[in-house]
Amino acid sequence: DAKTTQPTSMDCAEGRAANLPCNHSTISGNEYVYWYRQIHSQGPQYIIHGLKNNETNEMASLIITEDRKSSTLILPHATLRDTAVYYCIVTRRAAGNKLTFGGGTRVLVKP
Amino acid sequence: NAGVTQTPKFQVLKTGQSMTLQCAQDMNHEYMSWYRQDPGMGLRLIHYSVGAGITDQGEVPNGYNVSRSTTEDFPLRLLSAAPSQTSVYFCASSRGQDSEKLFFGSGTQLSVL
Repeated sequence: DAKTTQPTSMDCAEGRAANLPCNHSTISGNEYVYWYRQIHSQGPQYIIHGLKNNETNEMASLIITEDRKSSTLILPHATLRDTAVYYCIVTRRAAGNKLTFGGGTRVLVKP
Repeated sequence: NAGVTQTPKFQVLKTGQSMTLQCAQDMNHEYMSWYRQDPGMGLRLIHYSVGAGITDQGEVPNGYNVSRSTTEDFPLRLLSAAPSQTSVYFCASSRGQDSEKLFFGSGTQLSVL
């Protein structure tokens, strides 16, 4: 699986968009980008995933650069309940359920 | 649906004791797995199962045993607990082997003294 690099932490104002970057410069053609989040003491929660096209669901949007070497998770209107650790994971679709979680980005949404 | 249910939520063991962490899911998922999360770290895969009667090792399997006799249940056994196994344990399930979405339980916090 390709290695990912995320900022250790970031703050975001409540009601504003939160843009979480992820670098995966060694990603290969059959690898997907997954995002999960973990709210304090809870089990991780799936957010979104994509291969090369931008994706959107009820929780977030995923923007993947054309060369696929980086991506951005966008929380359109951050709320206090979005405070969590966000994990960017790159893996093959067939291994999408054998995920390797790194350190993630600790996001603090402030009022 | 209850989703993925883990019991107990908290457990304290003495070194050398054995115990079983329980995990059950009611979504008829074929795939189940166990992760551990040490303080300030990401999750690491211990064991996984792609269906009843089939299990395999993950990244950190030593000191743990699993079995999968039914689709619903996937218990994790510690045969002789060690302080290095102090961690938070998460069980997860997904529809199939190549499913993109893992559903996690709420975790079991284990302390080994």
